[in-house]
Amino acid sequence: DAKTTQPDSMESTEGETVHLPCSHATISGNEYIYWYRQVPLQGPEYVTHGLQQNTTNSMAFLAIASDRKSSTLILTHVSLRDAAVYHCILRVQGGSAKLIFGEGTKLTVSS
Amino acid sequence: NAGVIQTPRHKVTGKGQEATLWCEPISGHSAVFWYRQTIVQGLEFLTYFRNQAPIDDSGMPKERFSAQMPNQSHSTLKIQSTQPQDSAVYLCASSLDWGRAETLYFGSGTRLTVL
Repeated sequence: DAKTTQPDSMESTEGETVHLPCSHATISGNEYIYWYRQVPLQGPEYVTHGLQQNTTNSMAFLAIASDRKSSTLILTHVSLRDAAVYHCILRVQGGSAKLIFGEGTKLTVSS
Repeated sequence: NAGVIQTPRHKVTGKGQEATLWCEPISGHSAVFWYRQTIVQGLEFLTYFRNQAPIDDSGMPKERFSAQMPNQSHSTLKIQSTQPQDSAVYLCASSLDWGRAETLYFGSGTRLTVL
């Protein structure tokens, strides 16, 4: 699975919209973009995923660049509960179960 | 839906003792995975089952570690003769249908401390 690059940390305030970027310049055509988040003392939590089209669910909006070399996870009206480390990973459907989580982006939310 | 349930949340063992960790996957999920997480190594894949059959155990240490899934409602990870380097958070996850629906749902983990 190809490598991703994310900023180490980002800060926000409750109620704001946050854009978390992820770069994946060497992504393959059959690789999906997955986002998970993790808070201390909990397992990773699925946020969203996509292949080519932008996707949205109750947790976030995923914007995928037309060339698929980058994506942005958009969190609207963030709350303190959104504070977590956000991981962007690439997966080939039906590929290995080995997940390679990098350092991710630590999102801090202040009140 | 209670999510993936792992017990115990914390386990402390002495060096050389055995530790058994339990996982109850989400009902209806056909794939169950075990990972361990440490600050130094990050998230490491251990093994996974599909429809209770072991599929890939390439991440399991060859000695002392074993995993089973005797029925669709639970899986166990057993570590014999625990060593301090086994200290980690052990995470269980399940997926509706690995290969087609690959979203992983993780439990809260079992924090194993080997003294």
